[in-house]
Amino acid sequence: AQSVTQLGSHVSVSEGALVLLRCNYSSSVPPYLFWYVQYPNQGLQLLLKYTTGATLVKGINGFEAEFKKSETSFHLTKPSAHMSDAAEYFCAVGSASKIIFGSGTRLSIRP
Amino acid sequence: GAGVSQSPSNKVTEKGKDVELRCDPISGHTALYWYRQSLGQGLEFLIYFQGNSAPDKSGLPSDRFSAERTGGSVSTLTIQRTQQEDSAVYLCASSFDRSSGNTIYFGEGSWLTVV
Repeated sequence: AQSVTQLGSHVSVSEGALVLLRCNYSSSVPPYLFWYVQYPNQGLQLLLKYTTGATLVKGINGFEAEFKKSETSFHLTKPSAHMSDAAEYFCAVGSASKIIFGSGTRLSIRP
Repeated sequence: GAGVSQSPSNKVTEKGKDVELRCDPISGHTALYWYRQSLGQGLEFLIYFQGNSAPDKSGLPSDRFSAERTGGSVSTLTIQRTQQEDSAVYLCASSFDRSSGNTIYFGEGSWLTVV
């Protein structure tokens, strides 16, 4: 069975500050890992994904995530937050079939 | 089509009525997913179709929920005898094949309100 835990349902950072959104997963097989973003009143779109190879994955809008097998983590980071980053972020884990999503983290940016 | 298409985009129904939600996946995508997103909640997996294989129904919350996929393309999610707790956004997604390394693409969702 697979599961995803996102620590912190709501994260607030100042504009220009580091963004860190935490995701831990459990999987009995090598996982595929994803981060999706949902902007207000919009659908979900892929930020980045890890399948195989390099464990540091770069995505759109300056976001990146690092797969750490020993820690079963796939935390999302961005060096400098922008007001436009305010959104809901979902971590997901997949294997040979279905993809399971975490409960989401709402990111707020303070001016 | 260019993206995953869902209809209706909004549906208000009376408690006890049946509703059907439709999903038209991206052309050529063999995998299709249904998820439910309740207010302030994450994405709850409902059901997964892959080609002609038997669907994974493990996420359907009750026997009032069912889904089918005709001809390996369009899918319909049916909720019978709707309850107020069924109010949510129902999201459909598709991907190229069963490998979950492939990106899944979401539709805009069907907003269901049960009154």
